[in-house]
Amino acid sequence: GQQVMQIPQYQHVQEGEDFTTYCNSSTTLSNIQWYKQRPGGHPVFLIQLVKSGEVKKQKRLTFQFGEAKKNSSLHITATQTTDVGTYFCAGPGYGGATNKLIFGTGTLLAVQP
Amino acid sequence: DGGITQSPKYLFRKEGQNVTLSCEQNLNHDAMYWYRQDPGQGLRLIYYSQIVNDFQKGDIAEGYSVSREKKESFPLTVTSAQKNPTAFYLCASSIKINSPLHFGNGTRLTVT
Repeated sequence: GQQVMQIPQYQHVQEGEDFTTYCNSSTTLSNIQWYKQRPGGHPVFLIQLVKSGEVKKQKRLTFQFGEAKKNSSLHITATQTTDVGTYFCAGPGYGGATNKLIFGTGTLLAVQP
Repeated sequence: DGGITQSPKYLFRKEGQNVTLSCEQNLNHDAMYWYRQDPGQGLRLIYYSQIVNDFQKGDIAEGYSVSREKKESFPLTVTSAQKNPTAFYLCASSIKINSPLHFGNGTRLTVT
């Protein structure tokens, strides 16, 4: 079945350093969504990418969707302590049999002040 | 304010008992979902519903049951057949299937 993997599983950075997490799907995705879950909280939707090669920015966050629509990345410039949490990608496949949103394994970001 | 309400926040049960987790949304969303999250793990899909009176199994449906009698409600029953029920349960909804999800605050279930 469809699998969505993220690397790294865990990243510890000093405040001000950059951070990148990568998301790789075993199948082509119709779109990719990114979520952030603070410790003890629930996932919160950040952004959705739909087009092949699409790049979107939200302040210090840059999201990319791969040309083949099987991978994506999230880059945070100059991390802050408020960026702490687990970042998940999620994507549905194409076709009726893949009519469900599959979440990636997540990347836990720790930021040391 | 529109949103998703899960109750209770913490739930404790004895092994062998069925327990029902509540999920209500007032966002007028068609699709609703139940995910399970274990410590340090990702989210695994239990059941989802695209429309009232219809639902499909996710990846880990065994030992769980759901109903979708009303658009705004999607309760999850954890039955005694679920071998490892202790987990964090998250309910979510979206405008339509696979649109961005709005999550509830979750219910932490502990079974001893």
